[in-house]
Amino acid sequence: DIRMTQSPSSLSASVGDRVTITCRASQSISTYLNWYQQKPGKAPKLLIYAASNLQSGVPSRFSGSASGTDFTLTISSLQPEDFATYYCQQSYSKPVTFGQGTRLDIK
Amino acid sequence: DVQLVESGGGLVKPEGSLRLSCEASGFTFRSYTMHWVRQAPGKGLEWVSSISSISTYIYYADAVKGRFTISRDNAKNSLFLQMNSLRAEDTALYYCARDIGYGGDSPLFDIWGQGTMVTVSS
Repeated sequence: DIRMTQSPSSLSASVGDRVTITCRASQSISTYLNWYQQKPGKAPKLLIYAASNLQSGVPSRFSGSASGTDFTLTISSLQPEDFATYYCQQSYSKPVTFGQGTRLDIK
Repeated sequence: DVQLVESGGGLVKPEGSLRLSCEASGFTFRSYTMHWVRQAPGKGLEWVSSISSISTYIYYADAVKGRFTISRDNAKNSLFLQMNSLRAEDTALYYCARDIGYGGDSPLFDIWGQGTMVTVSS
């Protein structure tokens, strides 16, 4: 199975900050990497697919990039509604695997 | 509105069985591969199983293979997960999710239900 490792596991930031979350795959997955946001008590929400494509309706302050087996999710200017847990997911091979999550808290 | 609504969760003893359902509305259910994804309390997301649009292709995570069975009824816009021989480690919130896919067979979950909680405990 492909192992997805996110860093950091948790992060504290302030409204207006620029934040970057990293996800590393244990082997090459091309750009078959997706990002989800999950708020407490809610289902995950798709943010970015294929490493850098913004899902319809997602604010443009979210962006994704890839370099080899390393992937980043960037929030350019944190808004109050962005405080949540973020997961990466690889869709390159079965079984689908997720990162362990990055919890983004208010500083 | 595009929606998925799970049901059937509850408290069950170890080695017991439970059948989860997921009712879809607002989209052409029969056109999509569907998945079950679970989340243990305070933990991350774990893919469980998937079934293609006309049930041709079915896959399971190793952790549930031989114990869980996924199925669907396209006439009733419904997805199911039959869970047998349940263990404490199966305790989780079970989500059904729609797969819009891209680049061929690359699962991408765009619509999720609210989840149904399964607790395995004596």
